[in-house]
Amino acid sequence: QQPVQSPQAVILREGEDAVINCSSSKALYSVHWYRQKHGEAPVFLMILLKGGEQKGHEKISASFNEKKQQSSLYLTASQLSYSGTYFCGTETPNFGNEKLTFGTGTRLTIIP
Amino acid sequence: KAGVTQTPRYLIKTRGQQVTLSCSPISGHRSVSWYQQTPGQGLQFLFEYFSETQRNKGNFPGRFSGRQFSNSRSEMNVSTLELGDSALYLCASRIPDTYNSPLHFGNGTRLTVT
Repeated sequence: QQPVQSPQAVILREGEDAVINCSSSKALYSVHWYRQKHGEAPVFLMILLKGGEQKGHEKISASFNEKKQQSSLYLTASQLSYSGTYFCGTETPNFGNEKLTFGTGTRLTIIP
Repeated sequence: KAGVTQTPRYLIKTRGQQVTLSCSPISGHRSVSWYQQTPGQGLQFLFEYFSETQRNKGNFPGRFSGRQFSNSRSEMNVSTLELGDSALYLCASRIPDTYNSPLHFGNGTRLTVT
């Protein structure tokens, strides 16, 4: 089942902060975050693992609430280069055959 | 290190035809996943292959199939194409640690069915 992302779209001025949320109805092993710019491939940003370990990007942070099966991506002091569509992907336990299921994305537009 | 390579970049087919897409993963990556991307639907999981075996499958009809070769390269086939199959098809590779490793995506094959 697809995770649910919110908001679907957001427009910010350069320097403002953004929060993108991702929630699942199932228990999660991990949450992945990717950014896709128009006409390009999605690029890995961050993985949040059950148990609190976080692997990923320097300038972007995220949280993972295992009890609520929710994650949030925090973009602070946004730059023009942050524009793009952000996808969260979730993996649920499946006896070693976990698959990464993505949400429908959040389109972030940063304006000068 | 070369990234994930997908060929061709663009394809135009007519309804009823079949198509084969190719994906070469990053060297050393043995897991290859395929996703369909359409506006509003995000990235829909098609299937994942690991060591020439399909490890996972999404909710797509049997017209969508794939395979993986001993060198980890993968192909995806769609038979009896429908207009709704028009999409960007993305391939991604990862080391096979499942939830502990990120996906590395190729630039995709844009399929247009007329």
